[in-house]
Amino acid sequence: DSGVTQTPKHLITATGQRVTLRCSPRSGDLSVYWYQQSLDQGLQFLIQYYNGEERAKGNILERFSAQQFPDLHSELNLSSLELGDSALYFCASSVGANTEAFFGQGTRLTVV
Amino acid sequence: GESVGLHLPTLSVQEGDNSIINCAYSNSASDYFIWYKQESGKGPQFIIDIRSNMDKRQGQRVTVLLNKTVKHLSLQIAATQPGDSAVYFCAENSGGSNYKLTFGKGTLLTVNP
Repeated sequence: DSGVTQTPKHLITATGQRVTLRCSPRSGDLSVYWYQQSLDQGLQFLIQYYNGEERAKGNILERFSAQQFPDLHSELNLSSLELGDSALYFCASSVGANTEAFFGQGTRLTVV
Repeated sequence: GESVGLHLPTLSVQEGDNSIINCAYSNSASDYFIWYKQESGKGPQFIIDIRSNMDKRQGQRVTVLLNKTVKHLSLQIAATQPGDSAVYFCAENSGGSNYKLTFGKGTLLTVNP
């Protein structure tokens, strides 16, 4: 158990809908990262937050957004969902902005 | 663009043998590299890391080698066990002072008892 908690574990939703994925980082970790894992793209970095502020951005679509709250938990919002958004979404956390990150178990999103 | 790739998508070894998983990276500015292990249904699990000012680092049963000249990483697992069966990813930090990891496609390691 990495100490990073993601909810829900599984999510099935229809195209066009909006979902929110939640991540609780390890105790004491200030940095949160979101990754998308799909069969054709592998693990792709989406976005990083450090102590509530956006720190780095990767290949995140405009339909996706994220935030980190004062209690350091983070949410990833996915809107206008498409079939191709079906993937595993991982959250990771680390103490600093450039230190070892620990991954959660992921949320499996299926868009039908 | 930045990319991290693996030479072998699958590797099958006998229990007790040593395993070597290779990885090529393309961003010469990357200064931090990590190997992750991912078991089915789980998130990536940190195995070992290495910074660009080193060429070798050893952990428990694992060794990472970094060759910056040819932009190549390898992960050596000694006395491979069935529990080592998983997908192994190499990743490079392409974000400088931020932890922006670029992952390779992964290698599936299967250990036969």
